Amino acid sequence: QQQVKQSPQSLIVQKGGISIINCAYENTAFDYFPWYQQFPGKGPALLIAIRPDVSEKKEGRFTISFNKSAKQFSLHIMDSQPGDSATYFCAASKPGSGYSTLTFGKGTMLLVSP
Amino acid sequence: KAGVTQTPRYLIKTRGQQVTLSCSPISGHRSVSWYQQTPGQGLQFLFEYFSETQRNKGNFPGRFSGRQFSNSRSEMNVSTLELGDSALYLCASSLFGQDNEQFFGPGTRLTVL
Repeated sequence: QQQVKQSPQSLIVQKGGISIINCAYENTAFDYFPWYQQFPGKGPALLIAIRPDVSEKKEGRFTISFNKSAKQFSLHIMDSQPGDSATYFCAASKPGSGYSTLTFGKGTMLLVSP
Repeated sequence: KAGVTQTPRYLIKTRGQQVTLSCSPISGHRSVSWYQQTPGQGLQFLFEYFSETQRNKGNFPGRFSGRQFSNSRSEMNVSTLELGDSALYLCASSLFGQDNEQFFGPGTRLTVL
């Protein structure tokens, strides 16, 4: 049972464009939703995270939109740059474990063309 | 501060053997989690340790085990290796509590032949 579904699997965006990655979750006990960025040969690194009490969070060019009723959240990368080319993972966790137990989506490979 | 370190970075084993992977968390971090990353299944949670106690365990067979030492360093062990155990094993450390960022190490690439 895949508790966090992520789409698309891969994405090609032109430099300066907007990259949008979507995730949907099933478990309503989840209440912490981070996004991770992974470059080849590296471990994932936290980009931005949100809780269900807000509908949007922005940090620089990265924005999370959250729709609690639809159990969906998305990552928007504005003014996408070639350096943003990486694999992005959405994740979710629930209270009780210190948020150290993450359920990940299967990832989106983003390529930003120059 | 030094990041999460994992040793070894690469490992080749044959079916039936066992393997031990090591993780040193960021200084001051007492929570260590392990994940398996494969192209097919993505990132899957293995287990989490805090203060030498396993707090959570993912849906993996008993061949996968771990432990944490008093200095927060952690090891995971896989016995009776199978071809399907070939994966990138990632360790992450964090300060235990809410909204704590998990810092991932570079991983150990295990290949089972």
